Amino acid sequence: QVQLQESGPGLVKPSQTLSLTCTVSGGSISSGSYYWSWIRQPAGKGLEWIGRIYTSGSTNYNPSLKSRVTISVDTSKNQFSLKLSSVTAADTAVYYCARETNVDTATSIDYWGQGTLVTVSS
Amino acid sequence: EIVLTQSPATLSLSPGERATLSCRASQSVSSYLAWYQQKPGQAPRLLIYDASNRATGIPARFSGSGSGTDFTLTISSLEPEDFAVYYCQQRSNWPPGITFGPGTKVDIK
Repeated sequence: QVQLQESGPGLVKPSQTLSLTCTVSGGSISSGSYYWSWIRQPAGKGLEWIGRIYTSGSTNYNPSLKSRVTISVDTSKNQFSLKLSSVTAADTAVYYCARETNVDTATSIDYWGQGTLVTVSS
Repeated sequence: EIVLTQSPATLSLSPGERATLSCRASQSVSSYLAWYQQKPGQAPRLLIYDASNRATGIPARFSGSGSGTDFTLTISSLEPEDFAVYYCQQRSNWPPGITFGPGTKVDIK
């Protein structure tokens, strides 16, 4: 059973960089054809896809966030990470890491982390 | 960019009733549509993928249908644990990624 767990600071100051890590257990991040993704959800609002990294290391980002986002992978630690620069209060949200499956067809998210709340405030 | 709309925004029903949720895409997404359930304080859970396939462990009362631009999630008889928010999601070839609909809240009447 694959499990994902987010970790990182729960409070980030405006203009700084938000950094989160997702640790994958129960399977190798390098095996299979999956995207490893980040999704966020402001309180009381819907889901926003941030971006993904493939097992090959290639990335895709939400165009609305692309200039501020970097997703990377560390296969030796079975982890992938999110960096979001120049944050504002609008970036306050619960951040989820997730696994996308069926990457060539009906892509869906079959595993999610529990989510971590990141608040942007001075 | 493909936009998903969901209707209604809120659906007020009683346990045992049938729930019909709609998701419409601004252009065809073939059958590449998924549905998720989210309860307060929890991560979303995959219910349906590829428009009509139930995910592992999902009860048979959940069913999905549709193709192209119009999709439906049906809960045949609502159980108390089904009151939640439901999201549809599609994959995009360009720009590459996924997008979610705004959600439908199913609450107790």
